[in-house]
Amino acid sequence: ETGVTQTPRHLVMGMTNKKSLKCEQHLGHNAMYWYKQSAKKPLELMFVYNFKEQTENNSVPSRFSPECPNSSHLFLHLHTLQPEDSALYLCASSQDARTVGYEQYFGPGTRLTVT
Amino acid sequence: SQQGEEDPQALSIQEGENATMNCSYKTSINNLQWYRQNSGRGLVHLILIRSNEREKHSGRLRVTLDTSKKSSSLLITASRAADTASYFCATDVPGAGGTSYGKLTFGQGTILTVHP
Repeated sequence: ETGVTQTPRHLVMGMTNKKSLKCEQHLGHNAMYWYKQSAKKPLELMFVYNFKEQTENNSVPSRFSPECPNSSHLFLHLHTLQPEDSALYLCASSQDARTVGYEQYFGPGTRLTVT
Repeated sequence: SQQGEEDPQALSIQEGENATMNCSYKTSINNLQWYRQNSGRGLVHLILIRSNEREKHSGRLRVTLDTSKKSSSLLITASRAADTASYFCATDVPGAGGTSYGKLTFGQGTILTVHP
């Protein structure tokens, strides 16, 4: 266990559904991240939050909407997704995104399938 | 090509042998990190080497960094079947003010298979 949990672990949704992914970290960190991992592609950073403020949006389509109510929780709200959005979505946390030299701790991921 | 590229893409060895994976990158970095991922699960941080360091050890892991060649290697000695996983390098590239604001750039990884 890395101290980062994600729910659900698996999710199948239709293109018209609305669902949310949840991430929680128990490490006392101040930065949280969403990544997308697709087959045969490098891990892609989607969003970065530092002390609850969004500091990075890596040109992510608006059908993905992040929310960070506090430094321990991060959500990814999904709506009207496309089949190409099927992937493993990973959440991570680190001590402070502004400070160089901190490693990131990853959750186990949510395997999303869009039908 | 990308900021971080691992080589080889796949490596198959016998238990007890050493495994070496390489990573090349393009721009200046603050640090380079290696992560392991077991099939379909989250990544686990292995080791971080700063740009002013040349070599670092952690248990059976040895990482080297050559900033002049913009390359790094990860050596796993006396490999075990449990080392079977994908291994990724990630670069922390300085932005404005010297920090990357947490933005790591990952390579596509090396798939290591260790046969018992």
